[in-house]
Amino acid sequence: SQKIEQNSEALNIQEGKTATLTCNYTNYSPAYLQWYRQDPGRGPVFLLLIRENEKEKRKERLKVTFDTTLKQSLFHITASQPADSATYLCAPRGTGGGNKLTFGTGTQLKVEL
Amino acid sequence: KAGVTQTPRYLIKTRGQQVTLSCSPISGHRSVSWYQQTPGQGLQFLFEYFSETQRNKGNFPGRFSGRQFSNSRSEMNVSTLELGDSALYLCASSNGQGAHEQYFGPGTRLTVT
Repeated sequence: SQKIEQNSEALNIQEGKTATLTCNYTNYSPAYLQWYRQDPGRGPVFLLLIRENEKEKRKERLKVTFDTTLKQSLFHITASQPADSATYLCAPRGTGGGNKLTFGTGTQLKVEL
Repeated sequence: KAGVTQTPRYLIKTRGQQVTLSCSPISGHRSVSWYQQTPGQGLQFLFEYFSETQRNKGNFPGRFSGRQFSNSRSEMNVSTLELGDSALYLCASSNGQGAHEQYFGPGTRLTVT
């Protein structure tokens, strides 16, 4: 069955450092992979989408990589700030099939001063 | 543009009752998806409606149902509530085409006692 794994342990890093979050998937051949941010008690917010033919995508301090051979996506936040503290969710998906998204369990990131 | 709105934001129901949750998508969005989020199971897809038709369905019992109106507003209904239905119910809208991101509402926190 399809499986999406993200770091189950919370990630604590110091302000100013780069945070790297991992998303691994099995029994999947996604054409796209999306990353969302979720704050406690609120709905997820879309951050970035990367396509299977893109190795890397950047948006301001965010960078996503997509390795279809390793079946892995890495999400980086450079120069992290306490305001980046949240849970980050990945959602790989194929083409077609409407808008059904299957999310990973999420990684909780805490950026400390 | 106004974001996705969900009503009510909080709800307390008793086992055996039924509940109806409402979602108003972003103007122009024709796809509305519903998700259930619990600490144990994470974010799980319930169903998606596109142009008043159910386009996708997750693995939930028939007690969970939904519908979409001609103005794209959507409702979901849960009948014969169980304690395990306590969760954050999230609605997300998108324009329904391709790999476009989904925009989530703030959610409805349902507590079943």
